[in-house]
Amino acid sequence: SQTIHQWPATLVQPVGSPLSLECTVEGTSNPNLYWYRQAAGRGLQLLFYSVGIGQISSEVPQNLSASRPQDRQFILSSKKLLLSDSGFYLCAYQPRPYPNIQYFGAGTRLSVL
Amino acid sequence: GIQVEQSPPDLILQEGANSTLRCNFSDSVNNLQWFHQNPWGQLINLFYIPSGTKQNGRLSATTVATERYSLLYISSSQTTDSGVYFCAVSGAGSYQLTFGKGTKLSVIP
Repeated sequence: SQTIHQWPATLVQPVGSPLSLECTVEGTSNPNLYWYRQAAGRGLQLLFYSVGIGQISSEVPQNLSASRPQDRQFILSSKKLLLSDSGFYLCAYQPRPYPNIQYFGAGTRLSVL
Repeated sequence: GIQVEQSPPDLILQEGANSTLRCNFSDSVNNLQWFHQNPWGQLINLFYIPSGTKQNGRLSATTVATERYSLLYISSSQTTDSGVYFCAVSGAGSYQLTFGKGTKLSVIP
């Protein structure tokens, strides 16, 4: 069966520190992968998506970057965190070729202080 | 891009009551999903329903693609139904989901 793992669940980081959030998927090959951010408990914003290894598309220019070093691994990074980077980060995958459904990880709650 | 509007933004129900949540979208879609976000933030898939009607227990959903709306029905609501319900869509040729702002449901005993 397919599963998605996301860690850590909670993270508190000082302003200016680096960030690395990891997401891995099991049970499917060559999935589409996504990073979303949710601020203030409502509304999800797509940050990055990837249709293959090394292929990253950014939806919102900002202080974050994403990488896909392996087929089922997706990493969200920052070199220097800002206060505005605080939020709830969710990773999602979409198996291919069918069905056209996105499944979400449990999320990481990031507080930048 | 596609616009997604959900209504109502907030809903308070007595346990046992029924409710209907609405999702309007601005263009034709090839994917429409309903999610329930629980108090811990987990997004739970409820339905994949770009068109037609589906039922799962006390929940059912209908999408009328030609009129660009979808409805989520919750019958005999329980306190565990509380949370935020999101509708998300993607258009033809796109994999990316656009989310509505959600409906926050509170079911009180």
